[in-house]
Amino acid sequence: DAGVIQSPRHEVTEMGQEVTLRCKPISGHDYLFWYRQTMMRGLELLIYFNNNVPIDDSGMPEDRFSAKMPNASFSTLKIQPSEPRDSAVYFCASSLSGSSGNTIYFGEGSWLTVV
Amino acid sequence: TQLLEQSPQFLSIQEGENLTVYCNSSSVFSSLQWYRQEPGEGPVLLVTVVTGGEVKKLKRLTFQFGDARKDSSLHITAAQPGDTGLYLCAGALTGNQFYFGTGTSLTVIP
Repeated sequence: DAGVIQSPRHEVTEMGQEVTLRCKPISGHDYLFWYRQTMMRGLELLIYFNNNVPIDDSGMPEDRFSAKMPNASFSTLKIQPSEPRDSAVYFCASSLSGSSGNTIYFGEGSWLTVV
Repeated sequence: TQLLEQSPQFLSIQEGENLTVYCNSSSVFSSLQWYRQEPGEGPVLLVTVVTGGEVKKLKRLTFQFGDARKDSSLHITAAQPGDTGLYLCAGALTGNQFYFGTGTSLTVIP
């Protein structure tokens, strides 16, 4: 079975540019999470969706960040305009409510560098 | 402010040694999980504990959930180089919303 698929795996962009990260969750999962990982702050929950509806976006750092989930099989995280401090690994993850242990399955991450 | 603090932050040991990693919080969790993350990959679930005082074993790894469900520990017996990685605890206050700890980076030297 395919796991959580993220794209791009690596992106280098200039400050001020728009960045769009994409995610395909595991088929049938009803929860989708976006996390950001840095050395300084560890793994931070940015936003999560349940059945395509945003439930908690309190972790989104500021208005430059936005996330959408137009359907059950696709989500995007957009940064506009990007800044060097946004450089991090962004993980998308999904889970199935009611599953044993509520296992969260992570993608391989999108490595973002803003110069 | 991190909801979950892990200690130590870094740990480097020789193959065959034992070690314990701690995960502490002032909050009570409905469940707590441990993940291992290898370089260039996402975290992978090792175990979930839900009952205060619960102990689970996974081969050489022993996980314990504190009686008050505020803390947890991971003990590795006879560490091997394959155990090298970043160990993360994650606690759920309610439902599926998990908050991750600060992480413990483990290096096992052959």
